[in-house]
Amino acid sequence: ETGVTQTPRHLVMGMTNKKSLKCEQHLGHNAMYWYKQSAKKPLELMFVYNFKEQTENNSVPSRFSPECPNSSHLFLHLHTLQPEDSALYLCASSQLGDRRYEQYFGPGTRLTVT
Amino acid sequence: GQSLEQPSEVTAVEGAIVQINCTYQTSGFYGLSWYQQHDGGAPTFLSYNALDGLEETGRFSSFLSRSDSYGYLLLQELQMKDSASYFCAVRDALTGGGNKLTFGTGTQLKVEL
Repeated sequence: ETGVTQTPRHLVMGMTNKKSLKCEQHLGHNAMYWYKQSAKKPLELMFVYNFKEQTENNSVPSRFSPECPNSSHLFLHLHTLQPEDSALYLCASSQLGDRRYEQYFGPGTRLTVT
Repeated sequence: GQSLEQPSEVTAVEGAIVQINCTYQTSGFYGLSWYQQHDGGAPTFLSYNALDGLEETGRFSSFLSRSDSYGYLLLQELQMKDSASYFCAVRDALTGGGNKLTFGTGTQLKVEL
């Protein structure tokens, strides 16, 4: 347990569906991140939030829409996804000012788009 | 662009020492991190180097040479539980505040008896 939880752990959705991924961190951190991990590819940073403000959108298609209502919660809203979006979606959190810049990852949501 | 190169696979025997190298070419650089990820698990932090030299944490050590754009993770007294993927990641600062990590492709370490 890293103190970062993600739900659901597994999700199968059709290309016309709308779904949301949820992330919650219980560490009191002030920065949160979404990453995509595909087979045989490096983790790709998608979005960064500091103090609930988005500070990075790494050229992510608009069919992925993040939301950060407070420093503890992060959502990723999904709509009209493509099969190539099937991947493991990881949420992470960190504390700005941590000298090791350590990020704490959740267990991920395994997404399959059919 | 951003690129980090790591060997894709390394195999070693229990009790041995293994070194996983990472070379990087990135537009910004503030430090190099290492993460471990077991199959089906979340990445977990191992180490961070901002300055040149060796950082030691138990059986694991990490080295950085900024002038060579190179770092490595050294694992000593290998145990079966060390079988996992290891990722190097470059830290860069965001203009809007905060930090971002750019990850390498990962090295799968297999520890054998």
